[in-house]
Amino acid sequence: SYELTQPPSVSVSPGQTASITCSGDDLGDKYVSWYQQKPGQSPVLVIYQDNKRPSGIPERFSGSNSGNTATLTISGTQPMDEADYYCQAWDTSSASNYVFGTGTEVTV
Amino acid sequence: QVQLQESGPGQVKPSETLSLTCVVSGYSINSGYYWGWIRQSPGKGLEWIGWISHRAATFYNSSLKGRVTVSLDTSKNQFSLKLSSVTAADTAVYYCARGAGATTGGYFDSWGRGTLVTVSS
Repeated sequence: SYELTQPPSVSVSPGQTASITCSGDDLGDKYVSWYQQKPGQSPVLVIYQDNKRPSGIPERFSGSNSGNTATLTISGTQPMDEADYYCQAWDTSSASNYVFGTGTEVTV
Repeated sequence: QVQLQESGPGQVKPSETLSLTCVVSGYSINSGYYWGWIRQSPGKGLEWIGWISHRAATFYNSSLKGRVTVSLDTSKNQFSLKLSSVTAADTAVYYCARGAGATTGGYFDSWGRGTLVTVSS
């Protein structure tokens, strides 16, 4: 089955840039979304279709996707950005077509 | 703005059927989008369960081995999840969400708050 692998944790100082990777076979051929989940809350969509931001998501969140790796970048990271982040892609060959990444805990 | 709210029993006995409902407000579910269920086991990641389109076409995570049924009730603007033959492994927070189609990436742009379902006798 298709798998998306993320680093378990990323640590960043306030004001610095955090980069979270998501790896999967030929991931660049698929659309990737990213979700932010704070403790006790439901996930929030922060990036869709690789690099689009939903209304209300700060410009410091950006995304890219090429080859086998998608990246979520948080520029000028703020303490409020501390959360778990999950990537997600749709894979037609997988039993679970909506595939979520393993998740990354971002500590600011 | 669309809002989703899950409801259902917080505890289900092993081998029985888990049933949840998601009431949608702010958007008519037969107007478009896909309406899905995702779960998260305690301390774990997200797992997609299945979705139903506004035209009632369904698609499920085949790893759940045919135990899943998602249905639509347009008269009440809600959709439902049934998961049969549950075990302790089905204990999780269950979320309902609105999704875009696969051709646009299948992202979920609105989520309910989630409801914890515990499988225990």
